[in-house]
Amino acid sequence: KNQVEQSPQSLIILEGKNCTLQCNYTVSPFSNLRWYKQDTGRGPVSLTIMTFSENTKSNGRYTATLDADTKQSSLHITASQLSDSASYICVVIRYNNNDMRFGAGTRLTVKP
Amino acid sequence: DTAVSQTPKYLVTQMGNDKSIKCEQNLGHDTMYWYKQDSKKFLKIMFSYNNKELIINETVPNRFSPKSPDKAHLNLHINSLELGDSAVYFCASSHNLAAQETQYFGPGTRLLVL
Repeated sequence: KNQVEQSPQSLIILEGKNCTLQCNYTVSPFSNLRWYKQDTGRGPVSLTIMTFSENTKSNGRYTATLDADTKQSSLHITASQLSDSASYICVVIRYNNNDMRFGAGTRLTVKP
Repeated sequence: DTAVSQTPKYLVTQMGNDKSIKCEQNLGHDTMYWYKQDSKKFLKIMFSYNNKELIINETVPNRFSPKSPDKAHLNLHINSLELGDSAVYFCASSHNLAAQETQYFGPGTRLLVL
């Protein structure tokens, strides 16, 4: 069983709407958690990085939250745009960048 | 200019062949990585190369060998290609191995083994 589970697997929303993506993890120990955006045919791009002591981190219309007690994170996208259509990947880092556990991603489609 | 570049973008080859994928970063980073993304979209780290130290994921077959001619390059050589090697391979780099350092990914190389 993967140590990083993301939900939903896929999501379709209308342009301008908000959405929230979920990430539950069992990775331990835990150093930090990241959210990546991966456009089709491209490499992942980092959106947010949070240490275990941080509860929230924003990057423009993207806001990530972290509850280290329940081992849950969410990525909230505000006022979605067509360009937000991509896969969003949750990554948990144990010790360093050589020890990363990836979720399978949530495929978001924003329709006009 | 692209920070992390890979060549080729697409690679179609026959089973049993040997092939190489090249990666270059112009960010001045000390650490580079190779990842494999399978058909289910899971990303898995294959290697990291930090200050001339190679760290290998134990699940990677020894048919895969990274080669770093200098700090800005980490090439991936694959011997005796198998059908299961078909995937997208991503190169990445970061300032160092520290957990808070962002990784920058290349555009990927789509490998198809026939």
